[in-house]
Amino acid sequence: GQQLNQSPQSMFIQEGEDVSMNCTSSSIFNTWLWYKQDPGEGPVLLIALYKAGELTSNGRLTAQFGITRKDSFLNISASIPSDVGIYFCAGRSTGNQFYFGTGTSLTVIP
Amino acid sequence: GAVVSQHPSRVICKSGTSVKIECRSLDFQATTMFWYRQFPKKSLMLMATSNEGSKATYEQGVEKDKFLINHASLTLSTLTVTSAHPEDSSFYICSARDGQGHTEAFFGQGTRLTVV
Repeated sequence: GQQLNQSPQSMFIQEGEDVSMNCTSSSIFNTWLWYKQDPGEGPVLLIALYKAGELTSNGRLTAQFGITRKDSFLNISASIPSDVGIYFCAGRSTGNQFYFGTGTSLTVIP
Repeated sequence: GAVVSQHPSRVICKSGTSVKIECRSLDFQATTMFWYRQFPKKSLMLMATSNEGSKATYEQGVEKDKFLINHASLTLSTLTVTSAHPEDSSFYICSARDGQGHTEAFFGQGTRLTVV
């Protein structure tokens, strides 16, 4: 199936730094979702976005639904070691299908 | 969020045998369930989409006779890997959505399959 373009592919940051990652699509989406996956576990939903331009926060996480409906970003402020994991974006198309991003692997160095 | 339980979390089987993986929605009725395969450090690859009471829709390149999917109730879907081979070893994950118009998909914990 189709996959979204997610960048960066991996990040190595110092504890306390902010993180930013984004997803882009060639087609319009009705919903953007951000998930985090720990090793050996299934993805856990972090934030769901439903409207173009919507900006939503969940603790230190902030995500936005792009105005063009073709992109979304996720920011993590003041990173901590437990933020380590793989972050995936997902989008629901106008045809009601889900597509996943290629993932961003985050490593936080204490 | 809603709870999706996947069982078993790990399974080791001999080459040529079949393995069944269960995916249950514990606190909602899942009209649609999805099955994914994930290789190490890679993204989720959708294998098939199943709607309760109907045949699953398989993604291109996924053998439906190899990966049998049954979604017989609103809370249970099963994936059976038939005549497993070592190359079928992978991490399999299910997700489920309810029929109430919610667009989020909630994931199971995943199943690590090792075929020896």
